[in-house]
Amino acid sequence: DQQVKQNSPSLSVQEGRISILNCDYTNSMFDYFLWYKKYPAEGPTFLISISSIKDKNEDGRFTVFLNKSAKHLSLHIVPSQPGDSAVYFCAASDSNYQLIWGAGTKLIIKP
Amino acid sequence: DTAVSQTPKYLVTQMGNDKSIKCEQNLGHDTMYWYKQDSKKFLKIMFSYNNKELIINETVPNRFSPKSPDKAHLNLHINSLELGDSAVYFCASSHNRGQETQYFGPGTRLLVL
Repeated sequence: DQQVKQNSPSLSVQEGRISILNCDYTNSMFDYFLWYKKYPAEGPTFLISISSIKDKNEDGRFTVFLNKSAKHLSLHIVPSQPGDSAVYFCAASDSNYQLIWGAGTKLIIKP
Repeated sequence: DTAVSQTPKYLVTQMGNDKSIKCEQNLGHDTMYWYKQDSKKFLKIMFSYNNKELIINETVPNRFSPKSPDKAHLNLHINSLELGDSAVYFCASSHNRGQETQYFGPGTRLLVL
């Protein structure tokens, strides 16, 4: 029973263009969402988060959008750079503050 | 300066053996976690300790036993290893329990033969 779904296992984007990574969730009690980035042979690193009281949070080239009615969030990276090539995990926090993770999307930035 | 470190990074062992993975954080955090990344790449919480007290204990075989000698350390001991235990195990820490950013170690790649 996957409560957090990242339906695209991989995504390929041209350098300089916008990368859009999507995440869907099923539990309406989730109230905090995070994106983590992971390089091979390393642990995930925090990228950006959003609380359910907001619908947008921006940090430099990274913007996260939350659509609560659709139970959907997305991460926009613009412009995409080669160093953005990594696996991106979406995670949601439940009432016990446990993080429920998606399976990740591998982003490949083409030069 | 490694914030969250794990040892060993790689562990290859035979079925039935007992092994330990160590985790240390130098961030002064109160809460530490163990995650398992399975073959489908999902990260699943196994345990969480807050100030040396167990606060999350998911459905994990009792062959897995966490031990927190102090706030900066959370070790994972696994008895009678099975093939299905092969996975990447990540340790993480956060300032405290709650909606806090978690900082991850580099992972321990366990292969049970």
